[in-house]
Amino acid sequence: DAKTTQPNSMESNEEEPVHLPCNHSTISGTDYIHWYRQLPSQGPEYVIHGLTSNVNNRMASLAIAEDRKSSTLILHRATLRDAAVYYCILRTKTSGSRLTFGEGTQLTVNP
Amino acid sequence: KAGVTQTPRYLIKTRGQQVTLSCSPISGHRSVSWYQQTPGQGLQFLFEYFSETQRNKGNFPGRFSGRQFSNSRSEMNVSTLELGDSALYLCASSPWSGLQETQYFGPGTRLLVL
Repeated sequence: DAKTTQPNSMESNEEEPVHLPCNHSTISGTDYIHWYRQLPSQGPEYVIHGLTSNVNNRMASLAIAEDRKSSTLILHRATLRDAAVYYCILRTKTSGSRLTFGEGTQLTVNP
Repeated sequence: KAGVTQTPRYLIKTRGQQVTLSCSPISGHRSVSWYQQTPGQGLQFLFEYFSETQRNKGNFPGRFSGRQFSNSRSEMNVSTLELGDSALYLCASSPWSGLQETQYFGPGTRLLVL
């Protein structure tokens, strides 16, 4: 499966923007970049996904580098409820529905 | 719509026993996937079912099996339980099977094997 690299942990203050990076240097042209997060004691939840262009939704924005070898998940104003493990996942034709989770980034939000 | 539901939420078994976990997907969803989460291995894919057929399988021994019913509800079974099978078992559903489909996860079943 295509591999992603994320920092183990990041810290932010409440109401400040957070930029969570992800490297995926082996990405191919048809691979989708998905982000999920897992809050404590819950199952993972979908955040956002994209292919080539930047994407926005009510939860976050996804900025994709021009060469697609990296991407950044942006939380515009972090809240305490955003404290979670964030997973950057490449979805490929061969992986289909399977999500391959790495270790993710543990985001701590300080009040 | 109701979310993905999993039963039971907690389970304690002893080594050598077998266990069956149940997952009810979101209404209208036809794909169900199962994942195992442990502190050591993280989240790992077990298998996916779509329209009662196994579409994809992870790297787990044959003791782990599953099935899907005509109403899309799914069960997974683990036979001859080992201590290492203690984990959170998560079920996820999506409308269809494919790499663009968003997966919606349930709260999981926490299994403890003694």
